Amino acid sequence: AQKVTQAQTEISVVEKEDVTLDCVYETRDTTYYLFWYKQPPSGELVFLIRRNSFDEQNEISGRYSWNFQKSTSSFNFTITASQVVDSAVYFCALSEGAAGNKLTFGGGTRVLVKP
Amino acid sequence: EPEVTQTPSHQVTQMGQEVILRCVPISNHLYFYWYRQILGQKVEFLVSFYNNEISEKSEIFDDQFSVERPDGSNFTLKIRSTKLEDSAMYFCASVVRNYEQYFGPGTRLTVT
Repeated sequence: AQKVTQAQTEISVVEKEDVTLDCVYETRDTTYYLFWYKQPPSGELVFLIRRNSFDEQNEISGRYSWNFQKSTSSFNFTITASQVVDSAVYFCALSEGAAGNKLTFGGGTRVLVKP
Repeated sequence: EPEVTQTPSHQVTQMGQEVILRCVPISNHLYFYWYRQILGQKVEFLVSFYNNEISEKSEIFDDQFSVERPDGSNFTLKIRSTKLEDSAMYFCASVVRNYEQYFGPGTRLTVT
C-alpha cells in the first residue's frame, strides 16, 4: 500500500529565510509519480511539481527547488528566500503505477512566513 | 487557461438530507476524481472515474455515495443521507493521463 509521510506539521520562518519541507513515501511499485501541491488560506489546491520515479534529476524553478532521492524514498521541497505569500499548507502526494491512478497525500506541512 | 469548476462553493444541509455536488472537469481530460478534506486534515481519495465507470473507490466511499457523469461534461457526487461527519471540503479533479491532476476550487459541505 502506498503511504506519504510529512513529519513536519508546522514551520515558522521570517521572510527571506529558506524553508525545506520533508516528504518520505512508501510504495511497492517501480513506476510512480510524486507531486507537491500548495493550499493557500483560500483553500484551493495548486499544483507545483510532478516527478516520475525514473527522473531523479533535481530541479530549480525560480525560488522553488526539489530534491528527489530514491535511495531514501524522499522528495523534499525547498523555498528559497521565503515571502509572506508563501504562507500556506504544502502537501506531498504519490500516485502509483499506470495512468490515472489516485493521489495519496501526506498530512501536509503548514508554512508560516512572518514579515 | 482551462480549469476545473465546482458548484456550489458552499452547501449547508441538514443531517439525513441528500446533496449533489457538481463539477465540470477540463474538456479533454479522461480521468475524474473526488477527494475530500475534513477541516485541518489531509486530502483523502474518495473515488476515480474513467470511461463512464468507477475505476477505484476508497473505504470512505460507501453505499451512501454515488458518482455520475450524466451529460458528458458534468461530473457529480451524490451523498444520499448526509451525516455530521460528512462535513468537509470536497474537491473534484481531472487529468489527461498521468500528468498533474487539476483540482477544482472545492465545495465546502456543512452538515448540521
